[in-house]
Amino acid sequence: VMTQTPLSLPVTPGQPASFSCRSSQSLVHSNGDTYLSWVHQRPGQPPRLLIYKVSNRFSGVPDRFSGSGAGTDFTLKISRVEPEDVGVYYCMQATRFPHTFGQGTKLEIK
Amino acid sequence: QVQLVESGGGVVQPGRSLRIFCVTSGFTFRSYGMHWVRQAPGKGLEWVAVIWYDGGNKYYADSVKGRFTISRDNSNNTLYLQMDSLRAEDTAVYYCARTGELSLDLDYWGQGTLVTVSS
Repeated sequence: VMTQTPLSLPVTPGQPASFSCRSSQSLVHSNGDTYLSWVHQRPGQPPRLLIYKVSNRFSGVPDRFSGSGAGTDFTLKISRVEPEDVGVYYCMQATRFPHTFGQGTKLEIK
Repeated sequence: QVQLVESGGGVVQPGRSLRIFCVTSGFTFRSYGMHWVRQAPGKGLEWVAVIWYDGGNKYYADSVKGRFTISRDNSNNTLYLQMDSLRAEDTAVYYCARTGELSLDLDYWGQGTLVTVSS
């Protein structure tokens, strides 16, 4: 089970934001990698990948996004929130089957 | 550029079947695992199924196991999801997504196709 907190996060543009994701089991794969990703979904849009393998930014993702963590506890940070960052952020584990998503954190712009 | 385009969604009665498609381009389809992920109206994301690059392995969510079948045609760069014995709770937007080049995480996603199960 993937648990995200908080469920809602109001942030003023220019301020930082932090999202937490906790797994009920270690997400370390038998090959030693940890397949924890973060995806962002704007209203009415499909999800898009931000971070893969805990801390790697996907192609084209601004460097204000960063991921960290290990084992069962993971964090996504936005150093300075911009209006385009509005939407829902999901963590997802691809270490085990079935793959699972957290319930999402909704970022709202104040 | 990588493109994933879903189609085949629509309205279907409970207990009936539907097959949806994901046509891909911009990458070597036969080299990548592929997934289906769904999102019920107003809800979060739910992973549905995965198929290995060569179709050799398939895994399913418990909620669809025995009713849904994932398959692929590597000669036509197309991913399929055969959905049988549909239920109202299967109503959702269905997205196809690619297994990452450098990871097992899902890197590219399609725009989705809406499946509505209703009498």
